[in-house]
Amino acid sequence: AQSVTQPDIHITVSEGASLELRCNYSYGATPYLFWYVQSPGQGLQLLLKYFSGDTLVQGIKGFEAEFKRSQSSFNLRKPSVHWSDAAEYFCAVDPVLTSGTYKYIFGTGTRLKVLA
Amino acid sequence: DGGITQSPKYLFRKEGQNVTLSCEQNLNHDAMYWYRQDPGQGLRLIYYSQIVNDFQKGDIAEGYSVSREKKESFPLTVTSAQKNPTAFYLCASRDRSGANVLTFGAGSRLTVL
Repeated sequence: AQSVTQPDIHITVSEGASLELRCNYSYGATPYLFWYVQSPGQGLQLLLKYFSGDTLVQGIKGFEAEFKRSQSSFNLRKPSVHWSDAAEYFCAVDPVLTSGTYKYIFGTGTRLKVLA
Repeated sequence: DGGITQSPKYLFRKEGQNVTLSCEQNLNHDAMYWYRQDPGQGLRLIYYSQIVNDFQKGDIAEGYSVSREKKESFPLTVTSAQKNPTAFYLCASRDRSGANVLTFGAGSRLTVL
């Protein structure tokens, strides 16, 4: 079955430390891949997306993600975390290339806490 | 600025009552979606619509209904048949001709008393 896995439910890092959030997907082919961020009580905002080409993609707020086909992963990274990065992060795939449907699949999210 | 407006932000309902959550977009997007969010469960798709006057059930459609009479609007009705309606509801839209990116509203929190 098609799925997206975010193995870390909670992550706590100190301000200024580096961050990596993990995302693995299970599909027959490479789908479109996304990372979204959600502040408490708010909607989701797109951080970055991967469609094709360069496997290292840059996003907003200093985030980047690397697509690794061999590992079916799309991990999100940031070199130095700021207190304002505390939020919940969702990895998502758009399987339109493989299934022809427009039903995004979301991971269950990783909640990031930042220590001052 | 273009975007998605969801209303109300907070809604309280007594058991047995139907409620309708509003979702309006001025992005000229063809596709619209409703998701339900519960702690620890991510986003679950309730209904989606690719074009006006057409919509499809998502993964958890039971107890919900929608309509798509206008391109800009995709209201969600939470009926009394929904067993556990207390949740955060998110509306989203997507330009099917574009980058496949979902744009989200700010959400509506429904609490059943």
